[in-house]
Amino acid sequence: GQSLEQPSEVTAVEGAIVQINCTYQTSGFYGLSWYQQHDGGAPTFLSYNALDGLEETGRFSSFLSRSDSYGYLLLQELQMKDSASYFCAVRDPRVQGGKLIFGQGTELSVKP
Amino acid sequence: DTGVSQNPRHKITKRGQNVTFRCDPISEHNRLYWYRQTLGQGPEFLTYFQNEAQLEKSRLLSDRFSAERPKGSFSTLEIQRTEQGDSAMYLCASSSFSGSIGIQYFGAGTRLSVL
Repeated sequence: GQSLEQPSEVTAVEGAIVQINCTYQTSGFYGLSWYQQHDGGAPTFLSYNALDGLEETGRFSSFLSRSDSYGYLLLQELQMKDSASYFCAVRDPRVQGGKLIFGQGTELSVKP
Repeated sequence: DTGVSQNPRHKITKRGQNVTFRCDPISEHNRLYWYRQTLGQGPEFLTYFQNEAQLEKSRLLSDRFSAERPKGSFSTLEIQRTEQGDSAMYLCASSSFSGSIGIQYFGAGTRLSVL
């Protein structure tokens, strides 16, 4: 089966750096995605890693190690608006067309 | 283009009633997905369309659930004889065939409450 594990909660202060880890188990692998979801809002795509290494997009970076079945999302210069749930996701390799399997989400609380 | 649109945003119904939700994807996207999300969980896949063809259905989608995408544009998700366990956020997402398979664009969802 396919499964993803990520911490349920993380707390950090404004201006700090936080890392949200994700480990996955899949029978095939096409890349790791990250989504952000504010309370009551739509999940919003943040980042996608198909290959090992670091992808940087502004204050957000995402890292992938396929040999370790592990990735993380790094958020720098935290702002209050970054308080949200963050989900890692992989594509189900058994399904054509991109069905995503999501982790349970990490709720990030940014304190002043 | 304003993104993926879902209607209604909220639906309250009594157990046993039928409900229907609508999703309008990003216009040039030929792939459309329905997910269900409960509190504190990640979205769970329900079904997937490529154009008008429904290509995949989750085992979560009991025979009370049906989805359509006539003409490959908007989609509807109907739940018949609703049960309290159907209470959840129903999310629609779309993507383009040529796009990265890791990127889907989500609507804000329809929150269903079954009393």
